Order: sequence, then structure tokens, then C-alpha cells
Amino acid sequence: DGGITQSPKYLFRKEGQNVTLSCEQNLNHDAMYWYRQDPGQGLRLIYYSQIVNDFQKGDIAEGYSVSREKKESFPLTVTSAQKNPTAFYLCASSPRTSGRTDTQYFGPGTRLTVL
Amino acid sequence: AQKVTQAQTEISVVEKEDVTLDCVYETRDTTYYLFWYKQPPSGELVFLIRRNSFDEQNEISGRYSWNFQKSTSSFNFTITASQVVDSAVYFCALSEAKSGGYNKLIFGAGTRLAVHP
Repeated sequence: DGGITQSPKYLFRKEGQNVTLSCEQNLNHDAMYWYRQDPGQGLRLIYYSQIVNDFQKGDIAEGYSVSREKKESFPLTVTSAQKNPTAFYLCASSPRTSGRTDTQYFGPGTRLTVL
Repeated sequence: AQKVTQAQTEISVVEKEDVTLDCVYETRDTTYYLFWYKQPPSGELVFLIRRNSFDEQNEISGRYSWNFQKSTSSFNFTITASQVVDSAVYFCALSEAKSGGYNKLIFGAGTRLAVHP
């Protein structure tokens, strides 16, 4: 089945640790995105990538880093510089058709808790 | 600046009632896209509909219908004969049209719908 997978589903981190959230898609989509969701709020864009080996900061990139070495994979690292990392993280992808706005499809999410 | 407002934080209905979720947006663009997503308790966002700014036709898909009105900058979502499985958080989102395919989604805060038996 085509889709987006995120792992792990739940992640616990001690203060001062870096952690990496995995996002993989087999939809052959060019563009991938990371969003953060806090309780009672909408999603906010952390980073996005339109093509392999290229990515841009979103609205709340501070304390996060990404890489895009393969089309299928877009891992997110939450660094110790992120002051309040406890949140639900959602990965998305879209086809990136030239000249139009494509629908973003989302993975199941990773819930990160800082202990 | 672009903005999406979902004024209803929580709605509670009894099964088989009709319910409308409101979405009001702000944008200076003449070309834009509107979306609705459903987030069930499992957490994954499920795409429901996409509508571009040039298409004001209302759309119906089974028990779901959408009313897009540019004059009031609204894109409301109605569930007819609600069911317990409709219980979820529903998000409205706005995207400006850009060349190259990248689109930044601006999300509303979401409306939590609880459908009781």
C-alpha cells in the first residue's frame, strides 16, 4: 500500500538530548513537510523540502534540523536547542506538480514527550 | 496576512443530527485553495476536500457537503445525519497558489466534534 509512515509512534526524550523522528513515503512525491501540533492548536510548519538535497525553514524552524538525502525520506531532528519540544509531530508529502497547488497527505504522527 | 478562523472550539451533537462546522479565511490573493482535513483520535490527518478560489460550486460527497462563499470568505462543512464515527477534530486550511508546486498551508485551530449515541 502507498502511504506515509512515521516512527516511532511515541518517543520520550530527556532534556538535553537530540532525537530523530523518521518519515518515509512510497508515494513518489517530490515535496515533503514537517508540522508541529500543540494541544488545541492548528498545525505549524517546521521545515519543508521540494526536492532531494534541498530544504527550507518554515515558521518555527528554530531548534530543529532536517535532511533530504533520498526522495522517500525526510527525517527531523529535535535538538536540545528546542526549548519546548513536547508536541505531536506530523509529516506530510505532496506531488509538487508544476504550476498548481497540490494536496498534502499526512502520516500518522509521532508524539514526543520530554521528561 | 493569511489567516483561518474556526470559531467553534467544540461541538457536541447526538447521532443523526446535522452539524455545520464554520471556517472563515483571510487572504489578499485572488488565487488560493481551501482544504478540510479530519483528525480522528488516532492522530493522522485525513484529507477530505480541496477547493480552488475560482470554483464556488457547492460539493456533496455522501453525508458531507461544503458551502464555499467568496462574498463572506467562508468555506463551511456540513455533516448530515451525523454518526459516532464522525467524532474527530476537523481542520480548515488555506493555501496560496505558487508556481513550482510548493504550497504553504495555513491551518485553523480546529473544531472538535463529538457525536454521542
